[in-house]
Amino acid sequence: DIQLTQSPSSLSASVGDRVTITCQASQGIGKFLNWYQQKPGKAPKLLIYDASSLETGVPSRFSGSGSGSDFTFTISSLQPEDIATYFCQQYDNVPWTFGQGTKVEIK
Amino acid sequence: QMHLQESGPGLVRPSETLSLTCNVSGYSITSGYFWGWIRQPPGKELEWIGTVSRGGSAYYNPSLESRVTISVDPSKNQFSLKLSSVTAADTALYYCARDYLTNGGGFDIWGQGTMVIVSS
Repeated sequence: DIQLTQSPSSLSASVGDRVTITCQASQGIGKFLNWYQQKPGKAPKLLIYDASSLETGVPSRFSGSGSGSDFTFTISSLQPEDIATYFCQQYDNVPWTFGQGTKVEIK
Repeated sequence: QMHLQESGPGLVRPSETLSLTCNVSGYSITSGYFWGWIRQPPGKELEWIGTVSRGGSAYYNPSLESRVTISVDPSKNQFSLKLSSVTAADTALYYCARDYLTNGGGFDIWGQGTMVIVSS
């Protein structure tokens, strides 16, 4: 199975800060990576697909980059409504696997 | 607008079979796409369980394949999960989701999730 390691596991930042989360795959997965946002008590929401493509309706402050085994998710200017857990997911090889998540809080 | 909603018992006894249903509204599951189940044990990461096509062809996570069956019921516009011989390790929040990718792995619409506890 492909392991996805996210870093950090949690972070605290101020409103307006730039936030960056990394996701490292145990082997190359091309660009077959999704990023999701999950708010407490809510279903996960797909934000980014194909490593860098923004899902329709998602604010442009969210972005993704990377290919192969190293990926980055960025919130360019953190907003209060961005408080959530973010996780990556690969779809290069079955079984599809997820990262352990990064909890984002407001400082 | 498509909506997915999981339903089923919240408590299952060890060694029994866990059965969940996902009701799809706002879209006919026979029209296309694939349909999946994902779970999240308390404090752990998400785990993909399996995916089924509108025609009923399914593929599973190898770690669960011997115990899992996912099927579709077009007449009710639902798809279902059965997990046999459950143990405490199967305690989790179970989600159903639409997989929009032909090759799989793109879960763009999710249900709210239903908690299942395995305990005697």
